[in-house]
Amino acid sequence: AQSVTQLDSQVPVFEEAPVELRCNYSSSVSVYLFWYVQYPNQGLQLLLKYLSGSTLVKGINGFEAEFNKSQTSFHLRKPSVHISDTAEYFCAVSERSGAGSYQLTFGKGTKLSVIP
Amino acid sequence: GAGVSQSPSNKVTEKGKDVELRCDPISGHTALYWYRQSLGQGLEFLIYFQGNSAPDKSGLPSDRFSAERTGGSVSTLTIQRTQQEDSAVYLCASRQGSSAGELFFGEGSRLTVL
Repeated sequence: AQSVTQLDSQVPVFEEAPVELRCNYSSSVSVYLFWYVQYPNQGLQLLLKYLSGSTLVKGINGFEAEFNKSQTSFHLRKPSVHISDTAEYFCAVSERSGAGSYQLTFGKGTKLSVIP
Repeated sequence: GAGVSQSPSNKVTEKGKDVELRCDPISGHTALYWYRQSLGQGLEFLIYFQGNSAPDKSGLPSDRFSAERTGGSVSTLTIQRTQQEDSAVYLCASRQGSSAGELFFGEGSRLTVL
């Protein structure tokens, strides 16, 4: 079974400063990794994903994440945040189960607050 | 429709009553998921439907919870004899095919059990 740990429940950061949201996962098999973002009172939307290939993945709104297999991490970064980045961010992992389904397991989320 | 549609958006009920939450996925999407989002708990997987295969019910927290998907499209999540701890936002998501692709989420149904 897979699991996801988001180490920080809340991250305050000043506008235009860099940010890193941490994510670690555990799984006994190969995984696919995702970051989703949830803006206030909205559903989740995909920010970026790692399926294979280059370990540095670029997503929407200037975000990027790096897959590190040895450290089982998939941290999310942005070099300069904006007020509009204030939202909750969820890391998720998917592995192929024996039944052939792709159950997606989410972390508990990190609330990013950008301070003007 | 263009996106995943969920109804009702808000539901307030009394303890012990049954509730039904509806999800209308994106047309053509064969995979459908239900998640529960509680404050500080992230997203808890409930159930997964893929085409005509048997659903993965491993996340349902008790036998008071059930879900069905009719005609491979619309899904209904039913909670019987609701309890206060059932209060949460119930999210539905759909995906095309069975690959590990993007999930498209609805805006959720907020359930409050008094």
